[in-house]
Amino acid sequence: GQSLEQPSEVTAVEGAIVQINCTYQTSGFYGLSWYQQHDGGAPTFLSYNALDGLEETGRFSSFLSRSDSYGYLLLQELQMKDSASYFCAVANQGGKLIFGQGTELSVKP
Amino acid sequence: DARVTQTPRHKVTEMGQEVTMRCQPILGHNTVFWYRQTMMQGLELLAYFRNRAPLDDSGMPKDRFSAEMPDATLATLKIQPSEPRDSAVYFCASGSTDTQYFGPGTRLTVL
Repeated sequence: GQSLEQPSEVTAVEGAIVQINCTYQTSGFYGLSWYQQHDGGAPTFLSYNALDGLEETGRFSSFLSRSDSYGYLLLQELQMKDSASYFCAVANQGGKLIFGQGTELSVKP
Repeated sequence: DARVTQTPRHKVTEMGQEVTMRCQPILGHNTVFWYRQTMMQGLELLAYFRNRAPLDDSGMPKDRFSAEMPDATLATLKIQPSEPRDSAVYFCASGSTDTQYFGPGTRLTVL
């Protein structure tokens, strides 16, 4: 089967750095994606890692270790607008994207 | 700018009624996905199409749900008959497996 584990909620203060971890079990793994979803909104794409290592896009970075079936999303210089749910999702060879249950990030002043 | 559109944005209906949700993918995207999001189950893949052909609909209750792509600019998801447990937000997305662009969703309430 396929499963993903990520923390249900994380709290941090403005300006801080936060890391959201994701571990997964899947067959035919192709890559790990991250999506952001604000309350009442649609998920929006943040990053995709197919290879091991760190990908940086502005304040957000994403990391993948295929051997450990593990990845994380790193958010730096946190802003209030970063308060949202963050989902990791695994892409498998069938072309499917399977989402985790999401991590609710609360950024406090 | 290019975006996925979905109609209707909100739908309230009574149990037993037919519900049709529509999606217009981003022009040029050949893969379209349908998801359902609930508090209990999270974001679940219902079905997806590539070049208008259904590739996988294993996430969909076959007895009442059907998904089609009559042309490259329109994808539909139908529920007949609808049940209260179908209440959820239904998202359409287009793009590729690694990068998907989601529409605003249809919030369905079945009474």
